[in-house]
Amino acid sequence: DVKVTQSSRYLVKRTGEKVFLECVQDMDHENMFWYRQDPGLGLRLIYFSYDVKMKEKGDIPEGYSVSREKKERFSLILESASTNQTSMYLCASSFSRDRATSTDTQYFGPGTRLTVL
Amino acid sequence: QQQVKQSPQSLIVQKGGIPIINCAYENTAFDYFPWYQQFPGKGPALLIAIRPDVSEKKEGRFTISFNKSAKQFSLHIMDSQPGDSATYFCAASIRGYSTLTFGKGTMLLVSP
Repeated sequence: DVKVTQSSRYLVKRTGEKVFLECVQDMDHENMFWYRQDPGLGLRLIYFSYDVKMKEKGDIPEGYSVSREKKERFSLILESASTNQTSMYLCASSFSRDRATSTDTQYFGPGTRLTVL
Repeated sequence: QQQVKQSPQSLIVQKGGIPIINCAYENTAFDYFPWYQQFPGKGPALLIAIRPDVSEKKEGRFTISFNKSAKQFSLHIMDSQPGDSATYFCAASIRGYSTLTFGKGTMLLVSP
């Protein structure tokens, strides 16, 4: 079974702190994604990576950065946390089996609920 | 700009009922339409998916109906059970891209 793990289930930080959210997948997937999930807004893509050291902005990258130094690990960084970044953060990964058809299943981790005070 | 519009936002049905969740899209470049199911405290997981070359796909009690001309697709759950209570997300992707555009989700409650 594919397993995507996230470093913390719950995290409480102070405004202005630098926050690291870690995600690890064990299936040698090329693609990794970071989403935030808010009630009524669904899943919004923050950043994704299709290879080591490669990254692409998603729909809401402002206030976030990412790092992918190893294939299995994708980190989301909040340089200076703000209260409007209080949210559920979900990591996902997928295997680019056939880029021409784009039917890659995304496998999600359990999420990190971040509260910024 | 929301590219995939999902409705309703929430839905309550009795056990055995047939909840229907609808999604609409504008971008004709979308060519893959998955549905994800999320239980409380868990990440979403792929439930069922369809390509636009077919009008219907069935897997167990779950059916996707697809209307290419109307740019709409829907999820039907036959003989719904309390264990189907979850949040359902429709999504779409473009050929050649690995990213998904998600709808805002529907919270389904199936009462016993």
